[in-house]
Amino acid sequence: AQRVTQPEKLLSVFKGAPVELKCNYSYSGSPELFWYVQYSRQRLQLLLRHISRESIKGFTADLNKGETSFHLKKPFAQEEDSAMYYCALTPNSGYALNFGKGTSLLVTP
Amino acid sequence: GAGVSQSPSNKVTEKGKDVELRCDPISGHTALYWYRQSLGQGLEFLIYFQGNSAPDKSGLPSDRFSAERTGGSVSTLTIQRTQQEDSAVYLCASRGRQEYGYTFGSGTRLTVV
Repeated sequence: AQRVTQPEKLLSVFKGAPVELKCNYSYSGSPELFWYVQYSRQRLQLLLRHISRESIKGFTADLNKGETSFHLKKPFAQEEDSAMYYCALTPNSGYALNFGKGTSLLVTP
Repeated sequence: GAGVSQSPSNKVTEKGKDVELRCDPISGHTALYWYRQSLGQGLEFLIYFQGNSAPDKSGLPSDRFSAERTGGSVSTLTIQRTQQEDSAVYLCASRGRQEYGYTFGSGTRLTVV
């Protein structure tokens, strides 16, 4: 069975501090992993996916198959990063995404 | 259209009534998904349509929930005999064949009183 765990419901950091949003998954194969973000009063949108190994808005995420983790990191948080972040997994494009319960990130000045 | 459109944006209904929620995906997107978003529960998968294949209904929480997709485009999610626990934001998303990410609609906020 697939499972995505985001252990932190709420994460509060100061502006300029590093931030790491944790995501752990359980799946026996090689899944595709994503991070989605929802800013206040906006639609849920794709932030990044592991297969592209890209950096979006300063965020990166590395897939660690040994630890079955896909943590989202940013070295210097900005106030505009405050949002709800969801980690998601799918076995492949033929299946629906399975989302974690989300982490609310609050960046304070 | 330019994005995924959902209607209504808000719906208040009395317990026991039926409701229909509509999703208009991006033109040409073959995959369409329904999710339910509620506080503390994250995004709960409901149903997935892919082209002309039989839909994946594995996420529907009860037989009061059903969905259809007509002509490979517009989809309607129907909840019969609504209960208070059905109150949530219902999100629709679509995906093009060559894309990895979903494009989400703005959702329908359903409140059952």
